[in-house]
Amino acid sequence: TQLLEQSPQFLSIQEGENLTVYCNSSSVFSSLQWYRQEPGEGPVLLVTVVTGGEVKKLKRLTFQFGDARKDSSLHITAAQPGDTGLYLCAGDAINQAGTALIFGKGTTLSVSS
Amino acid sequence: DTGVSQDPRHKITKRGQNVTFRCDPISEHNRLYWYRQTLGQGPEFLTYFQNEAQLEKSRLLSDRFSAERPKGSFSTLEIQRTEQGDSAMYLCASSLAVSEAFFGQGTRLTVV
Repeated sequence: TQLLEQSPQFLSIQEGENLTVYCNSSSVFSSLQWYRQEPGEGPVLLVTVVTGGEVKKLKRLTFQFGDARKDSSLHITAAQPGDTGLYLCAGDAINQAGTALIFGKGTTLSVSS
Repeated sequence: DTGVSQDPRHKITKRGQNVTFRCDPISEHNRLYWYRQTLGQGPEFLTYFQNEAQLEKSRLLSDRFSAERPKGSFSTLEIQRTEQGDSAMYLCASSLAVSEAFFGQGTRLTVV
């Protein structure tokens, strides 16, 4: 069972466009993290959201945690080629067997100039 | 560099051979995770340790896989009798209890 569903799986856009990536679950999470990964490297943490309804901004990236702490979104404004990569959401699910950090399958973003 | 380090970065092995990977976590982190990742997919959870205790193992982790963290510091992941389907990136991450995980650069395994 995939606890974290990410959409879309692939996204190919032009420089300057805006985009939103979604991370959804039927489970409640104590927190959710967003990572970005480049080919051949490990994922790099971008942000952690903890409070339901929380919004965090990191330059052109805006992260939102759903009120019920079951979903999150990542919005990128005016995308640049340097934003290209695999975007992953991850979380520790509350009340699941074990509390290992689990990941969604990721959204592969390609930004062309 | 005090980040998570993994060794080796790349490993090519013949089918049927055993391989062992090492992970050195960030020193004060008590949680250590192993993941497997194939191209374009998210990391699949394999197992994790809290200190030296192995608390959870994925069903993906067959009997050919074993992980240890003997002193609650570095960890090893061994794959016995490797198969071509084991070819993947093996990622290690560490964290302080229930918080953000920091990843190493991974070990790329190719089974020929």
